[in-house]
Amino acid sequence: SQTIHQWPATLVQPVGSPLSLECTVEGTSNPNLYWYRQAAGRGLQLLFYSVGIGQISSEVPQNLSASRPQDRQFILSSKKLLLSDSGFYLCAWSKDRTSPAFFGQGTRLTVV
Amino acid sequence: SQQGEEDPQALSIQEGENATMNCSYKTSINNLQWYRQNSGRGLVHLILIRSNEREKHSGRLRVTLDTSKKSSSLLITASRAADTASYFCATGPGEGAQKLVFGQGTRLTINP
Repeated sequence: SQTIHQWPATLVQPVGSPLSLECTVEGTSNPNLYWYRQAAGRGLQLLFYSVGIGQISSEVPQNLSASRPQDRQFILSSKKLLLSDSGFYLCAWSKDRTSPAFFGQGTRLTVV
Repeated sequence: SQQGEEDPQALSIQEGENATMNCSYKTSINNLQWYRQNSGRGLVHLILIRSNEREKHSGRLRVTLDTSKKSSSLLITASRAADTASYFCATGPGEGAQKLVFGQGTRLTINP
């Protein structure tokens, strides 16, 4: 069966510090991978998605970047965090655009 | 940009009653999906309905899709306190795109 791992669960980082959130998927190959951000009490904003290794599509201009160094690994990064980067970050995978998405448990990021 | 828009934003009912949530979208879709999120957790996939389907059932869940009106509804019958959560619709895109886009969600509270 397929599983998705996302870590860490919570993170408190000072403004200006770097960020690296990692997401890995097991039990499938060539998944579509997604990074979403959720503000408190709001919907999910799609940040990045990837249909293959090295293929990253960015949805919104921002202080973040994403990389997919391996087929089942998706990394969300920032060189210098801003206060506005605080939020709940969710990684997800799907088989393709016609299939359901499965989510990790999320990372609560607080930038102080 | 948001594709799905849920209505209402919040819904509070008594245990045992039925809960209906609606979702509207703007562009062509391959499928529409409903997800559930308990507070502070990742999203859980509930049901997927394809663009050529009109109704789908899963346990106490009933989903309808009207592509002419670009709308969907989620009905939860005989609600339970454990159904308290936020519910999101998401649209799987038509040709040429891979991203799964979510609405703002409906916060459902079931009162015992």
